[in-house]
Amino acid sequence: QQQVKQSPQSLIVQKGGISIINCAYENTAFDYFPWYQQFPGKGPALLIAIRPDVSEKKEGRFTISFNKSAKQFSLHIMDSQPGDSATYFCAASVGSARQLTFGSGTQLTVLP
Amino acid sequence: DVKVTQSSRYLVKRTGEKVFLECVQDMDHENMFWYRQDPGLGLRLIYFSYDVKMKEKGDIPEGYSVSREKKERFSLILESASTNQTSMYLCASSTLKDRVRDTQYFGPGTRLTVL
Repeated sequence: QQQVKQSPQSLIVQKGGISIINCAYENTAFDYFPWYQQFPGKGPALLIAIRPDVSEKKEGRFTISFNKSAKQFSLHIMDSQPGDSATYFCAASVGSARQLTFGSGTQLTVLP
Repeated sequence: DVKVTQSSRYLVKRTGEKVFLECVQDMDHENMFWYRQDPGLGLRLIYFSYDVKMKEKGDIPEGYSVSREKKERFSLILESASTNQTSMYLCASSTLKDRVRDTQYFGPGTRLTVL
């Protein structure tokens, strides 16, 4: 069963545009929502994370928006660059479980 | 920097062979994880371990086993490899002492092909 649904599966954006990736979750016990970035040939690496007590978190060009009532969260990449081309995974975890439940991934291509 | 290394980047095995995938981390992390990554399915947890000699099943443990005899090393074992186990296998580690909760540090992956 997929507890975190991610869309779209692939995304193509022009350089300078905004990339938006969406995730929805079912388990209301989730209380931590990280995003991971994976470049070809590499393992995923933590990009940015949010807790449900805030609606938005921004780090540079990357912003997470969180909607607790809708059980949705999204990653926005402003001024997208070709170097942002990668696969992005949303994830969620519960308390001190230490496990992460990952979404299915979005392959982002930023055209020069 | 945390370093997670995996024994092979590419591996080709035959159906029915016993396969060992090794993972080593150098940051004294107590938690270690094995995932498989398939297109459109994301990362699915196979097994994880919170301590030496301790293991817990993840979402898709069937056909796999694990071993953790030392804190830094976590092995994934395919007892009898099958073609549907052809995949990318990722190892990760984490610690409760990390300043960013639940951050998992991944190795580069092993692409396993079972013929």
